Amino acid sequence: KQEVTQIPAALSVPEGENLVLNCSFTDSAIYNLQWFRQDPGKGLTSLLLIQSSQREQTSGRLNASLDKSSGRSTLYIAASQPGDSATYLCAVGRGGGADGLTFGKGTHLIIQP
Amino acid sequence: DTGVSQNPRHKITKRGQNVTFRCDPISEHNRLYWYRQTLGQGPEFLTYFQNEAQLEKSRLLSDRFSAERPKGSFSTLEIQRTEQGDSAMYLCASSPYRGNTGELFFGEGSRLTVL
Repeated sequence: KQEVTQIPAALSVPEGENLVLNCSFTDSAIYNLQWFRQDPGKGLTSLLLIQSSQREQTSGRLNASLDKSSGRSTLYIAASQPGDSATYLCAVGRGGGADGLTFGKGTHLIIQP
Repeated sequence: DTGVSQNPRHKITKRGQNVTFRCDPISEHNRLYWYRQTLGQGPEFLTYFQNEAQLEKSRLLSDRFSAERPKGSFSTLEIQRTEQGDSAMYLCASSPYRGNTGELFFGEGSRLTVL
């Protein structure tokens, strides 16, 4: 059974800093990995999708990397802004041939103005 | 708007009542998923459909829960005899099936409060 862990659980940094969110998973036989953003009381917004054959994906100030063999992914946010404050969720395929995603508990990020 | 649509967005009900949530996926997405999310947790898988066929149900989906996707388009999730422990955000997602787990696109969710 796939398990996903996200570290840290919460992070508060001043505006302008670069930061890294970590995600680890137990079953390396994944098809892809997705990073999502969730604002309070809202649904999930897909940020980046990395296929298992890829090492990284970039979108604007966001860069996600994937090391499938070690079961790790990182989300790098450059030049953080107060609008980046949200919960960031990492999700990977459930494994064992099952469809759908298994999620971590998320990293609650606060960017101080 | 071509995103995933869920309604109602909020539902408050008394224990023992039945509730139904609806999800309209992105058109031409043949896979549809239901997840449940409680406070401070990541979403947990409940069930998914390939067109109208329900392919898997999680053990989280007790006998009081039923999901349908009758024509392979919209889906409904019904909870019978609600309990306070059912209070959660119910999230729907859709995905274009390409032979493996594709990118999932989520709706805004339906928040259930059971008094």
